[in-house]
Amino acid sequence: QVQLQESGPGLVKPSETLSLTCVVSGDSISTDYFWGWIRQPPGKGLEWIGSIYHTGSTYYNPSLKSRVAISLDTSTNQFSLDLNSVTASDTAVYHCARFPAYWSQGTLVTVSS
Amino acid sequence: DIVITQTPLSLSVTPGQPASISCKCSQSLLRSNGKTYFYWYLQKPGRSPQLLMYEVSNRFSGVPDRFSASGSGTDFTLKMSRVEAEDVGVYYCMQTTQFPWTFGQGTKVEIK
Repeated sequence: QVQLQESGPGLVKPSETLSLTCVVSGDSISTDYFWGWIRQPPGKGLEWIGSIYHTGSTYYNPSLKSRVAISLDTSTNQFSLDLNSVTASDTAVYHCARFPAYWSQGTLVTVSS
Repeated sequence: DIVITQTPLSLSVTPGQPASISCKCSQSLLRSNGKTYFYWYLQKPGRSPQLLMYEVSNRFSGVPDRFSASGSGTDFTLKMSRVEAEDVGVYYCMQTTQFPWTFGQGTKVEIK
């Protein structure tokens, strides 16, 4: 069974960088799938942040493209999200996923001073 | 970007009755390989979204057969033949045919 678990700070200051890591078990991130991140602001819908293919090719939401980076670490079977210059509007539950079927539980990241 | 318009935004259903949700996309989701990358998810309260249907009409592992889906091109429908109490939550559709991947707004389903 594929399982994903995010880790990272739950509180980030405005203008700083939000960094999350997704640990994958039950599968290798080198397999032929898209891995990526989705977020959900409190009480709102789902927003795709970006995806990375097992080859390392990345695809980002244009609304975030200038601020976001997703990378793979095959040595630890993890992938990561960096979102810089955050503001309060980046406050959300962040999920990592092996698209389309396997999602993490989600972690709330609050942007506040 | 492909915009997905999901309707209705909320649904109140008597247990045992049918229900359906629609998603209309601003562009065709049919790829040149003949596949349509359209999915349905259910987000139960306090949980992460769970995949119900993939590539339009394929039921994911463990999904009850009271769920079915259909559609092509730009119009897609999820049907529940008999809604049960465990089906409450927010239903989302999603397309991955074209980047950026996009979601519908969500349909909140509650039991009367």
